[in-house]
Amino acid sequence: AIQMTQSPSSLSASVGDRVTITCRASQGIGNDLGWYQQKPGKAPKLLIYAASSLQSGVPSRFGGSGSGTDFTLTISSLQPEDFATYYCLQDYNHPQTFGPGTKVDLK
Amino acid sequence: EVQLLESGGGLAQPGGSLRLSCAASGFTFNTYAMTWVRQAPGKGLEWVSGISGSGVGTYYADSVRGRFTISRDKSRKTVDLQMDSLRAEDTATYFCAKGVGGIALTHNDFWGQGIRVIVSS
Repeated sequence: AIQMTQSPSSLSASVGDRVTITCRASQGIGNDLGWYQQKPGKAPKLLIYAASSLQSGVPSRFGGSGSGTDFTLTISSLQPEDFATYYCLQDYNHPQTFGPGTKVDLK
Repeated sequence: EVQLLESGGGLAQPGGSLRLSCAASGFTFNTYAMTWVRQAPGKGLEWVSGISGSGVGTYYADSVRGRFTISRDKSRKTVDLQMDSLRAEDTATYFCAKGVGGIALTHNDFWGQGIRVIVSS
């Protein structure tokens, strides 16, 4: 199975900050990667698919980039509702695999 | 409005079985793949199993292959996860999710609220 890693595992930031989270795949996966946001006690929410395509209804401050093995999720200006844990998920092959998550909390 | 409602969770003994069901509404059920994802207490997300819209393609995480079986019923609009030979490490909240397309290799745009499974003697 493809292994996904994320960095950092957690970060502290302030409202208005630019935040960048990295996801790396153990082998090339083209652009077959998505990003999810999860808040405590809630189901995950799809933010980005195909590495850089914004899911309908997701604010434009979220952006994704990358291909092959290295991917990035960027939040251009962090808002109070963005404090959450973020996961990447590869859909290149089965079994699909999530990254371990990056928790974004308030500095 | 898309709705996904999981049922069937609860307490099971190690080596025992449980059957989770996800009732779907608000979309053309046969068109979309469906997925089960779980989350152990305090841990990250784990992709568990997926099934294509047609039901022909089924896929499993290495950790559950041979023990779990995913299936779907077009008439009832449900996706089931039969979980056998349960282990303590299967303890988690299980989420049902709708794929964005018909193939099982997909992302998921709508999710259920999750259902708890506890495996303990």
